[in-house]
Amino acid sequence: ETGVTQSPTHLIKTRGQQVTLRCSSQSGHNTVSWYQQALGQGPQFIFQYYREEENGRGNFPPRFSGLQFPNYSSELNVNALELDDSALYLCASSLGQGPRGNEQFFGPGTRLTVL
Amino acid sequence: AQKVTQAQTEISVVEKEDVTLDCVYETRDTTYYLFWYKQPPSGELVFLIRRNSFDEQNEISGRYSWNFQKSTSSFNFTITASQVVDSAVYFCALSESMDSSYKLIFGSGTRLLVRP
Repeated sequence: ETGVTQSPTHLIKTRGQQVTLRCSSQSGHNTVSWYQQALGQGPQFIFQYYREEENGRGNFPPRFSGLQFPNYSSELNVNALELDDSALYLCASSLGQGPRGNEQFFGPGTRLTVL
Repeated sequence: AQKVTQAQTEISVVEKEDVTLDCVYETRDTTYYLFWYKQPPSGELVFLIRRNSFDEQNEISGRYSWNFQKSTSSFNFTITASQVVDSAVYFCALSESMDSSYKLIFGSGTRLLVRP
């Protein structure tokens, strides 16, 4: 158990809808990163939030957006869902900057299915 | 360009066999970190090891060992005397120090099946 929690566990949406996924970071961690893992592939970095600001973004369109709250929990929002958005969405928390910044601890993920 | 390659898509072994999972990486940075994660069927990524680019010593942790060779840009993972519980997908990942987000760049994973 990493102490990182995600909700919901599973979600089914239809194309064109919007979805919000949630993540609570490990105690003491101020950074949350989001990854998308399509079936049979490795996780792909979506973006990272450090102290409530976006700190790095992968190759994902603007309809993928996020927030981080003062307690360092985070949300991932996806608008205008497409079939290819079906994936496991993983949240990882870390200490942010410094030599321990890349020690990322992952939550159990949210499996999103877009029909 | 940063890239991690895990050429072995799937490996099947019989319990108690030794197995090595290969990882080859590409990076422009001189300071970087390499990782291995295990992903059981439940989906959660379990951290196994982090190694920085200045530490080429091999590491052993129980039945697990890692061989880091900068000359061949490889960071291979060996499980000795494999067990059924080792069945999972294993990911190798890279993080560069010049990237302030320290994002992880993952390979495509190797699915390990350990048969009784």
